Amino acid sequence: AQTVTQSQPEMSVQEAETVTLSCTYDTSESDYYLFWYKQPPSRQMILVIRQEAYKQQNATENRFSVNFQKAAKSFSLKISDSQLGDAAMYFCAYRYNFNKFYFGSGTKLNVKP
Amino acid sequence: GAVVSQHPSRVICKSGTSVKIECRSLDFQATTMFWYRQFPKQSLMLMATSNEGSKATYEQGVEKDKFLINHASLTLSTLTVTSAHPEDSSFYICSARDRGTLSNQPQHFGDGTRLSIL
Repeated sequence: AQTVTQSQPEMSVQEAETVTLSCTYDTSESDYYLFWYKQPPSRQMILVIRQEAYKQQNATENRFSVNFQKAAKSFSLKISDSQLGDAAMYFCAYRYNFNKFYFGSGTKLNVKP
Repeated sequence: GAVVSQHPSRVICKSGTSVKIECRSLDFQATTMFWYRQFPKQSLMLMATSNEGSKATYEQGVEKDKFLINHASLTLSTLTVTSAHPEDSSFYICSARDRGTLSNQPQHFGDGTRLSIL
């Protein structure tokens, strides 16, 4: 069975600093997709970044990057130059092919001015 | 970009009534839509997978007679909470997959519906 674990319920970072959110997952599949979603207080789900398991290169999107360790089944999100608008719940998600998402329990990120 | 519209965004009703929530894909065709439920400060829990033209697939523990799902067209899926009670109060979110995209493309989420049963 696929499971996604986020071990940090809450994190804090100073504005302009860097923070890393952790995510591990369990799967028997070799080809799958991993995502980080951001959910601000408005509750809208916003895609932050995605990674295909067959790609060795870590995905990057501006200030957001991932450290994908396939053998360790680890998928952490690094946010550089943190901004106040980055404050939100962050969910790690796993998906196999076209199938459903499996979400982690979420990490609440606080950004201190 | 692809947009998923969910309506209503907020509904408050009395216990015992039925509530219908709509999920529409505005600029793409969605053969599959997903319905999630999110309790405060918790993650999204998949309730069911809605397939156009066929019966929905429900996750274990979700009452299919309680949460009726209809996916009659490629752009619309509805979730009806029948005889709603206070314990059904929650945040419901739908997502849809564009049938024309590759498997690595993310699903598109609606903005959610906050359901409050008095």
